Amino acid sequence: SQQGEEDPQALSIQEGENATMNCSYKTSINNLQWYRQNSGRGLVHLILIRSNEREKHSGRLRVTLDTSKKSSSLLITASRAADTASYFCAPHDRGSTLGRLYFGRGTQLTVWP
Amino acid sequence: ETGVTQSPTHLIKTRGQQVTLRCSSQSGHNTVSWYQQALGQGPQFIFQYYREEENGRGNFPPRFSGLQFPNYSSELNVNALELDDSALYLCASSLQGSRAGELFFGEGSRLTVL
Repeated sequence: SQQGEEDPQALSIQEGENATMNCSYKTSINNLQWYRQNSGRGLVHLILIRSNEREKHSGRLRVTLDTSKKSSSLLITASRAADTASYFCAPHDRGSTLGRLYFGRGTQLTVWP
Repeated sequence: ETGVTQSPTHLIKTRGQQVTLRCSSQSGHNTVSWYQQALGQGPQFIFQYYREEENGRGNFPPRFSGLQFPNYSSELNVNALELDDSALYLCASSLQGSRAGELFFGEGSRLTVL
């Protein structure tokens, strides 16, 4: 399946440090999305990058996409304790229905004060 | 603009029972998707509804069914509950035809099957 696979599974850093999470996928995509989930809560959309884009920024977030390697990365700069959450990448297949995303197990980020 | 709301937030059922979960889409959104998230896993796509019809289904048995109403709200029904159905059920709305493609999730309904 076109499941996004996040790496690492867990990441623990100090406040102020940068956090980098990686995502790999298998087939051609229309776009790739990143979501955040606080423990036991719903997912929150962070950023969407289209297949013809290579880099995108949103506040402290930077996402890159390499379609030749079928990979993406999410960088959170100057992390805060409030960034503690699970982060999921979700590739959106070409031709797939709009609401059908394939989530992996996510990266659990812990930011210590 | 109201967000996606789900009810109930928590519920406990026993094996073999049936459950109905409800979702109100974000204002203006015409597509709703349902996801199942087991503990420690990522959300898994169950199905999507658009114009009151199922428009895509994941690898879930027929005892998982749904409805979408003219006001775009939706229900997820699960019959003959099994222990493995214990999970967080997430509803997400989106706008078909939108170039954005992002999903707006509710806070979920946590189902425990005993």
